[in-house]
Amino acid sequence: GAGVSQSPSNKVTEKGKDVELRCDPISGHTALYWYRQSLGQGLEFLIYFQGNSAPDKSGLPSDRFSAERTGGSVSTLTIQRTQQEDSAVYLCASSPNTYNEQFFGPGTRLTVL
Amino acid sequence: KQEVTQIPAALSVPEGENLVLNCSFTDSAIYNLQWFRQDPGKGLTSLLLIQSSQREQTSGRLNASLDKSSGRSTLYIAASQPGDSATYLCAVGLTQGGSEKLVFGKGMKLTVNP
Repeated sequence: GAGVSQSPSNKVTEKGKDVELRCDPISGHTALYWYRQSLGQGLEFLIYFQGNSAPDKSGLPSDRFSAERTGGSVSTLTIQRTQQEDSAVYLCASSPNTYNEQFFGPGTRLTVL
Repeated sequence: KQEVTQIPAALSVPEGENLVLNCSFTDSAIYNLQWFRQDPGKGLTSLLLIQSSQREQTSGRLNASLDKSSGRSTLYIAASQPGDSATYLCAVGLTQGGSEKLVFGKGMKLTVNP
């Protein structure tokens, strides 16, 4: 079956621009996660959705970051006024339900010039 | 704060060796532990999942164990092959502030030489 997909696979943007990253989870998975992987920080958690709801947004690095999920399916991560330190690989994962195995997408590599 | 440690950061071995990869974590309040493999420029592939109530899981040449009380997990790779070369990541699942999340170690880069 189809796995988690993310788009775009690569995004190069100029400092100060807004970007939107998309995640399509595995069909039927109720839980969705965003993580960020950078050379200096390793893999860090950003946000979790159960259905369309995110109980806690404190993992987002700053108020320039926001995320939403609609229809219990697709999720978008938006970064406003991008900064060079936002350059990283953004990974999305989904899970069939709570406390279960997470399946990861291929990631979006974001480069901010 | 949960911290996950993987030592060593890199390992190079000849083909055919049996390997043990170590992972330690500081807080035993986890609901599961996952081992992942990451190839260069790729996403994460789940290798094994151990629920907090389990001690061990096996898949093919891979065997993972979990000792929650001591905060340790090991991934055993039997008869290593060059295709096993990748970065291996350990992650613990926990709940915090109403969110579920994985906390990752920094990974161990494995090179298996033919």
